[in-house]
Amino acid sequence: DGGITQSPKYLFRKEGQNVTLSCEQNLNHDAMYWYRQDPGQGLRLIYYSQIVNDFQKGDIAEGYSVSREKKESFPLTVTSAQKNPTAFYLCASSIVAVQRGARGSLGHSYEQYFGPGTRLTVT
Amino acid sequence: AQSVTQPDIHITVSEGASLELRCNYSYGATPYLFWYVQSPGQGLQLLLKYFSGDTLVQGIKGFEAEFKRSQSSFNLRKPSVHWSDAAEYFCAVRKTGANNLFFGTGTRLTVIP
Repeated sequence: DGGITQSPKYLFRKEGQNVTLSCEQNLNHDAMYWYRQDPGQGLRLIYYSQIVNDFQKGDIAEGYSVSREKKESFPLTVTSAQKNPTAFYLCASSIVAVQRGARGSLGHSYEQYFGPGTRLTVT
Repeated sequence: AQSVTQPDIHITVSEGASLELRCNYSYGATPYLFWYVQSPGQGLQLLLKYFSGDTLVQGIKGFEAEFKRSQSSFNLRKPSVHWSDAAEYFCAVRKTGANNLFFGTGTRLTVIP
């Protein structure tokens, strides 16, 4: 049964502590993404990765870090530098279709599939 | 800058009534368009998508959406709403050549008996 798992579903931390959120997928997708969701603001991209050992910052990367050591896994660390870490965090994955043009390869991502999310509360 | 607008923050409909959720985007070319649904405390589920071709696309759970280039819109519709459709709905766009999705702020749907 293929899909994306995120653990834990609820996470509580004290202010000043780093915390790592897990995301695993068995869809054989190359690309993975982390989003933050706050009420009334939709989803905002934190980091994304198109290939193992490579990742790029999204719109709100400050105070977060990621790693991509395995294709299946894309953990997110919320550091103490993140000013407002309490939020709902969503992980997603997608296929990346590569087209080779005159300048090399160009990546296109198709629809994203989402995990169930982790609600982080920092007090 | 690319943006996605969902002008309705909250919509309430009666069970069995028809539904239309609005989505407008700003982008020079035709983007890839998506509608997702999210139940409380859950992840997002893809309802439907538009890449090219027929501008009326069918999705899961009886939903459909129509792409109108002249209005830069991709509105979601359902002819008869069920109580289980109560959720939050997100419109998203992906620009050709880009990696990421841009999401609207969502429309929360309430269904009353």
